Amino acid sequence: EAAVTQSPRNKVAVTGGKVTLSCNQTNNHNNMYWYRQDTGHGLRLIHYSYGAGSTEKGDIPDGYKASRPSQENFSLILELATPSQTSVYFCASGDTGGNTGNTLYFGEGSRLIVV
Amino acid sequence: GDSVTQTEGPVTVSESESLIINCTYSATSIAYPNLFWYVRYPGEGLQLLLKVITAGQKGSSRGFEATYNKETTSFHLQKASVQESDSAVYYCALGPTGANTGKLTFGHGTILRVHP
Repeated sequence: EAAVTQSPRNKVAVTGGKVTLSCNQTNNHNNMYWYRQDTGHGLRLIHYSYGAGSTEKGDIPDGYKASRPSQENFSLILELATPSQTSVYFCASGDTGGNTGNTLYFGEGSRLIVV
Repeated sequence: GDSVTQTEGPVTVSESESLIINCTYSATSIAYPNLFWYVRYPGEGLQLLLKVITAGQKGSSRGFEATYNKETTSFHLQKASVQESDSAVYYCALGPTGANTGKLTFGHGTILRVHP
């Protein structure tokens, strides 16, 4: 069964601190994604990756970095966390689907509160 | 840019009643988007409910169905008789074809509460 696991599931961070959200997938998918969801908004894409060593900016990348050291792992890094980054973060994996509309497999989400 | 608008929640229905969650989209950068419904059950991550990649076609899963209507730019989710276990958050989304198909544009989600 497809599996995407995120850690930590819950995190309270201080303003200005560094936060790393980790994601691991056992699907052997090439593509991985980081989304965030805020009240009143749909999920918005922060960064994504096509494979190990690759990271690409999504729609809202400011204030975030990403790292893809291996096929299985994709991290989201907040070097200087701010209260505006308080949100629920979702990691997902998916394969290149051509014209078939690939399915994304999501983790359970990481709730981050920046105080 | 692209956008998805869906029914404001929460939507509350009784078990065995019918359900419709509206979804309309604007795909200014994608000529023929792929359309999706994802669902998030309590304590779980989002999972695909159904998808349709061809205009005019209908997708169905777990008793839910949605038809890709290019003329009205809609992709409404319907179910004839809901169950308490359908209580969840439902997300409508659109995405491009090709290698970047994971770059989806989501609606804000609709909370569905089904009472026994």
